[in-house]
Amino acid sequence: AQSVTQPDIHITVSEGASLELRCNYSYGATPYLFWYVQSPGQGLQLLLKYFSGDTLVQGIKGFEAEFKRSQSSFNLRKPSVHWSDAAEYFCAVGTGNQFYFGTGTSLTVIP
Amino acid sequence: EAQVTQNPRYLITVTGKKLTVTCSQNMNHEYMSWYRQDPGLGLRQIYYSMNVEVTDKGDVPEGYKVSRKEKRNFPLILESPSPNQTSLYFCASSGDTGELFFGEGSRLTVL
Repeated sequence: AQSVTQPDIHITVSEGASLELRCNYSYGATPYLFWYVQSPGQGLQLLLKYFSGDTLVQGIKGFEAEFKRSQSSFNLRKPSVHWSDAAEYFCAVGTGNQFYFGTGTSLTVIP
Repeated sequence: EAQVTQNPRYLITVTGKKLTVTCSQNMNHEYMSWYRQDPGLGLRQIYYSMNVEVTDKGDVPEGYKVSRKEKRNFPLILESPSPNQTSLYFCASSGDTGELFFGEGSRLTVL
């Protein structure tokens, strides 16, 4: 069965520090992969997506993610975190007709 | 402006009182779906629709119904709500670009 695992429930980083959010998936074929961000009281906004091609994808707000097939991972990174990045982050897998989400990682940014 | 619109945004109801959460998208997307978000569980898919008159169950369909009579609308129906359906609900649509576009969410409380 398809599944998405985000091992870190909550992460705290200092403003200006680098960030990496982990995502592992289980799917038999090459999936469509996504990262979404949810600010408090808001809907979900797409940060970036991977369908095929270059395994390092760039997204909005300075985020990037790397697809590693051998590790079934799609980790999200940002070199320098801003206070406005504090939010909940969700990794997702799309299979063509269904989407599976991880349980989310809550990011706190301290000054 | 391209958007997915859900109504109502907030609703408190009582057990057994039928309710409908409406969802409308203006992007001419064929794919639409409903999710519920619960703490620690991420987003779980309730139902999805690949096109008009085509709907299918997601991972947590029990207690819910949907219909897709028009391309733009995909209402979620709770025939007899129960307290375990208290949740935050999201409608989303997807088109040729593959990612989901989300509504702002509907927070439902069933007493």
